[in-house]
Amino acid sequence: NAGVTQTPKFQVLKTGQSMTLQCAQDMNHNSMYWYRQDPGMGLRLIYYSASEGTTDKGEVPNGYNVSRLNKREFSLRLESAAPSQTSVYFCASTLRTGSLGYTFGSGTRLTVV
Amino acid sequence: GENVEQHPSTLSVQEGDSAVIKCTYSDSASNYFPWYKQELGKRPQLIIDIRSNVGEKKDQRIAVTLNKTAKHFSLHITETQPEDSAVYFCAASIIDNNDMRFGAGTRLTVKP
Repeated sequence: NAGVTQTPKFQVLKTGQSMTLQCAQDMNHNSMYWYRQDPGMGLRLIYYSASEGTTDKGEVPNGYNVSRLNKREFSLRLESAAPSQTSVYFCASTLRTGSLGYTFGSGTRLTVV
Repeated sequence: GENVEQHPSTLSVQEGDSAVIKCTYSDSASNYFPWYKQELGKRPQLIIDIRSNVGEKKDQRIAVTLNKTAKHFSLHITETQPEDSAVYFCAASIIDNNDMRFGAGTRLTVKP
């Protein structure tokens, strides 16, 4: 039982490049989330998927897109990376949205130069 | 939307002492309040949570208290140990709502 698996763990991009962060959970959770973590700012919600087939914007969605490929997988795409997107990205999932603790992935440290 | 403020940003205690971290929230409709612990380079992990119909919850050395009227909740760690050193995050949300907001975090250092 792997929980929430994120890939890659580290990535360096040049400004303007694109990439997709992958996330998969094997806990049969309905809701999945993408957060970014910056020093002194806690975790900020980028996008979420309340259930398979739905996605919605969170607090800081600009510059990102997401795809809920199936119940297990939720990917985050940066179409044209900017230095302001340098951050640690966490995927999370929960069985029942908003009422149970989230299970987080191990994170992706992204640097945009 | 919800706004969560967390204090202090850093906290240093001697091993065996107690540590208290406080959070305030803005949306009176929030009814679920989890706490996460994040060790250096690791993922956040849920350590305790509380719902608004409960004023206090304990789990061994960890307890959380909630004051709905004042809209604040606190994490209490007793008999601290070096392995308690980590960043702690509070959060607030409305059950069945996807917009869980996190505090900025408290870096706790427990000195042996």
